[in-house]
Parts: sequence; C-alpha cells; structure tokens
Amino acid sequence: DTGVSQDPRHKITKRGQNVTFRCDPISEHNRLYWYRQTLGQGPEFLTYFQNEAQLEKSRLLSDRFSAERPKGSFSTLEIQRTEQGDSAMYLCASSLPPGDSGNTIYFGEGSWLTVV
Amino acid sequence: QQQVKQSPQSLIVQKGGISIINCAYENTAFDYFPWYQQFPGKGPALLIAIRPDVSEKKEGRFTISFNKSAKQFSLHIMDSQPGDSATYFCAASGGSSYKLIFGSGTRLLVRP
Repeated sequence: DTGVSQDPRHKITKRGQNVTFRCDPISEHNRLYWYRQTLGQGPEFLTYFQNEAQLEKSRLLSDRFSAERPKGSFSTLEIQRTEQGDSAMYLCASSLPPGDSGNTIYFGEGSWLTVV
Repeated sequence: QQQVKQSPQSLIVQKGGISIINCAYENTAFDYFPWYQQFPGKGPALLIAIRPDVSEKKEGRFTISFNKSAKQFSLHIMDSQPGDSATYFCAASGGSSYKLIFGSGTRLLVRP
C-alpha cells in the first residue's frame, strides 16, 4: 500500500497523559497536513509542512499540541496533558509540490483518540 | 469568510435516483473545490474536484456544477446505488498552502 499511513489507528488514554501519532506520507509528496475531525463534523485544519518546515498553524493547535517533520518525510503529532475535548480522529494528508496537480490532497485512514 | 456551508445535513434517496448536495462559500480567493467521500471509520477519499474556470465537470456518475457568480457548487450523483451510502464533504482551498476548508458534511443513505 503506497497511500498515507497513520499509526496507531486507535488510542485510548487517560486524561493528563501524553500521546503521539505518526504519519508517513505518500513518497515524493513534500507537503504534509494534519487535520482533526470530531463526530458529525468535517475535518478541521491544524497545521501543514512543506518538507521539514512548518509553514502554518491553526489557532486550534494549542500549546499542548506540537507537530514535527524532522527530515521532511514522516511527521509526528504530539498532544501533551490530554483533555477529554481532545477526543477526535486525527487525520494526516499529503500532496505533491505546487503545480498542476498540486491541489490534490490525499488523506490517511486517521488515528482515533479517546481520552477517558 | 473562511466558511463553506453545506446542505442538506442528511439525504435519503431511492436506488437509481439522483442525489444532490449543495455548498456555498464566501471567500473569492478560493480556486479549487473538491468533494470527498467518507465511509465510517475511514479517512476522506477524493471523489471529484473542479476549478472555477469551468461550470461543470463529470466523472462517471458524479458531476460537479459550479456557479462562480453565486459562489455555489453542487455534487450530483446519478443512478445512486446503496454502495454510495456515505458522508460527503465539499471543500475549498485557495492560495499557496492548499489547505482545505471543509463543509459540515452530508450523510447520504441510498435505499435498495
């Protein structure tokens, strides 16, 4: 499978614990995005990278959230001191560099987080 | 100005019928309008997309109609099938980031 890969697919954690999600984008895609989706809602943009540079962060990304893409390949999204309101599906997506087909964004299967 | 408004919230169609989902936007800087299909427990999958230089795009049973002056676009699913039952999201993007702004989704149920 050469699509966007996310791990873990499901995570249950206690309030106050830290969690980390990993995303492996489609190879040759230099753009990587993180979105959050709650039940019954559309995905909401969190942040995106071009290569290793984090170019934009949404105000939804509080100080407890940090995303990295150290070598311009895989990315991690860490949530510190989790709260029940963090329960959601965290989606990773990737796209090609700007160009004729650069708009097409491909999503992974998501990582479900439940904070109890 | 960043919102994309989608309707209806849910839709029930008989097999073979036409499903129509509508979206409206405010930001005139948007220049790319995709539709995504999402099944329960799965990530969104790109279905079809359009740019504002054309008024209609068709791929198989799926058609996007785009009205630039009204800032509206819609998805038409012809000959709807039970396998089309899913949640559909319209989205829009513009500028160099390509980040997508999603509508709130439409849950489609196609009855056999």
